[in-house]
Amino acid sequence: AQKVTQAQTEISVVEKEDVTLDCVYETRDTTYYLFWYKQPPSGELVFLIRRNSFDEQNEISGRYSWNFQKSTSSFNFTITASQVVDSAVYFCALSVPNAGNNRKLIWGLGTSLAVNP
Amino acid sequence: GAGVSQSPSNKVTEKGKDVELRCDPISGHTALYWYRQSLGQGLEFLIYFQGNSAPDKSGLPSDRFSAERTGGSVSTLTIQRTQQEDSAVYLCASSSRRFSTDTQYFGPGTRLTVL
Repeated sequence: AQKVTQAQTEISVVEKEDVTLDCVYETRDTTYYLFWYKQPPSGELVFLIRRNSFDEQNEISGRYSWNFQKSTSSFNFTITASQVVDSAVYFCALSVPNAGNNRKLIWGLGTSLAVNP
Repeated sequence: GAGVSQSPSNKVTEKGKDVELRCDPISGHTALYWYRQSLGQGLEFLIYFQGNSAPDKSGLPSDRFSAERTGGSVSTLTIQRTQQEDSAVYLCASSSRRFSTDTQYFGPGTRLTVL
């Protein structure tokens, strides 16, 4: 099966707390890509990061960091010192091969993060 | 540069009417996707265009839904005889490479309400 699971449906934190959003994936493919997107209340999906299956280096971008672990099939996302503007729904997605040399994205159901002042 | 644009941003229609939703992808992007997102839900894949290849229509929920992409650029999603369950936000995305390994960039969506 090819699947993305975001077990946390909703998370609520107080500003300046650190928060980790979990993403666990299943795939039979050896070459795949993982993504995180942010969907703020305005509705537009914003790309955050793409990681390929051969690169297990963790990544940090400002207050955001991502921990990719193939051993546990996880690609978790941490926001350090959260801010109210981080309030959004966050989606994890998996890109896998599809018919005709194409690829398709398999989406998690999203985690709704509320950062309260 | 310009991102993905969609029009209209909002559409209210009566049950049974046909609607057309438009997507203008990022210039030069060969891949174009349509998704549907119902209130509080994740993304539901509808259809995918890649260059001149036959589109992947595997996600279209019924034969009332169709899409075309003219000249490899602008796409129109048509819903015939709309039903109330069609109410959702319809999102379009584009990406730049043949094998779609590259990132999908999304438009702001069209919010469709069927009364």
